[in-house]
Amino acid sequence: AVQMTQSPSSLSASVGDRVTITCRASQDIRTDLGWYQQRPGKAPKLLIFAASNLHGGVPSRFSGSGSGSDFTLTISSLQPEDFATYYCGQAYNYPRTFGQGTKVEIK
Amino acid sequence: EVQLVESGGGLVQPGGSLRLSCAASGFSFIDFSINWVRQAPGKGLEWISYISMSGGTIYYADSVKGRFTISRDNAKNSLYLQMSSLTAEDTAVYYCARAVAFDVWGQGTMVTVSS
Repeated sequence: AVQMTQSPSSLSASVGDRVTITCRASQDIRTDLGWYQQRPGKAPKLLIFAASNLHGGVPSRFSGSGSGSDFTLTISSLQPEDFATYYCGQAYNYPRTFGQGTKVEIK
Repeated sequence: EVQLVESGGGLVQPGGSLRLSCAASGFSFIDFSINWVRQAPGKGLEWISYISMSGGTIYYADSVKGRFTISRDNAKNSLYLQMSSLTAEDTAVYYCARAVAFDVWGQGTMVTVSS
């Protein structure tokens, strides 16, 4: 199975900060990667699909990049509603696998 | 509104069985594959099963293979997960998630395996 490794596991940031989360796959997964946001007690939501495509309704401050085995999620200016846990997940093959998550907390 | 709604969770004893359902609305259910994803308390996301649009292709995670059975009824716009031989490690919130991209998620249903 493809292993997905996210870093950092958690970070503290302030409103307005630029935040970057990285995800590394254990093999080449082309651009078959999604990013998901999960607020406490809520279901995950798709933010980015195919590594860099913004899902409908997602604010443009979110962006994704990368291909092969290295990927990045960037939040250009952190907003109060962005404090959440973020997961990457590969869509290259089954079994589908996720990173361990990155918790973005308020500084 | 495009929606997935899970039901059927609850408290079950170790070794017991439970059947989860996922009701779809607001889109053409037959045109989409569906997955089950679970999340143990305080833990990350774990994909556990996939079923294709017609139901002809099915995959399972090793952790549930031989114990869980995924199925769908396209006439009823519904997805199911039959779970048996449950253990404490199966305690989790169970979500259904649409398509390859997991672009729509249900709100989840909690399964607790405990005596």
